Amino acid sequence: GAVVSQHPSWVICKSGTSVKIECRSLDFQATTMFWYRQFPKQSLMLMATSNEGSKATYEQGVEKDKFLINHASLTLSTLTVTSAHPEDSSFYICSVQKGGPHNEQFFGPGTRLTVL
Amino acid sequence: AQKVTQAQTEISVVEKEDVTLDCVYETRDTTYYLFWYKQPPSGELVFLIRRNSFDEQNEISGRYSWNFQKSTSSFNFTITASQVVDSAVYFCALGLSNTGKLIFGQGTTLQVKP
Repeated sequence: GAVVSQHPSWVICKSGTSVKIECRSLDFQATTMFWYRQFPKQSLMLMATSNEGSKATYEQGVEKDKFLINHASLTLSTLTVTSAHPEDSSFYICSVQKGGPHNEQFFGPGTRLTVL
Repeated sequence: AQKVTQAQTEISVVEKEDVTLDCVYETRDTTYYLFWYKQPPSGELVFLIRRNSFDEQNEISGRYSWNFQKSTSSFNFTITASQVVDSAVYFCALGLSNTGKLIFGQGTTLQVKP
């Protein structure tokens, strides 16, 4: 498997502020990481694919200026929710994939964001 | 279109019962991957199994078994002699071979009562 951490595990912020979520691959170098969002009692929706050293690839309907992704190293990807609003409250989960697109993804523990 | 359907939203069983979680997928790709993940109340997804589109052999791992049938585009998951610890949300996912992206089904919430 793979060990993935996320920080923080939960965060509460005021509307209009920005929040940064970190995703770390602890036991291997990940050129690709994925960011998902999960609303309560719903499925995971892929937001973007984070590529080390290049721009992230966003899924249709995801605002790239609102959800800034930086994959500055092979072990760290960050997701910044800019000017957060209550509708951005969700469970944000990252994942890593070892060895290529045919392999399973291993997920971080998730970050619960609540915007007041 | 790529899609995964888990028609069972919630299932409730009594401990020791067998339970099957259904998964039907849609894709025009000839090469793809299928996965099952478990999401316990803690929220962290746990990988259970991966299957590629060329391998229809069924698999058994302890109390878990999977039945992959390309003819019906199904990848069903059976838990034998269920236990309370099996209570969780189970997701079936379709993996795209070129990008590695996962398309998740809506999930099935399994409640195992003592």
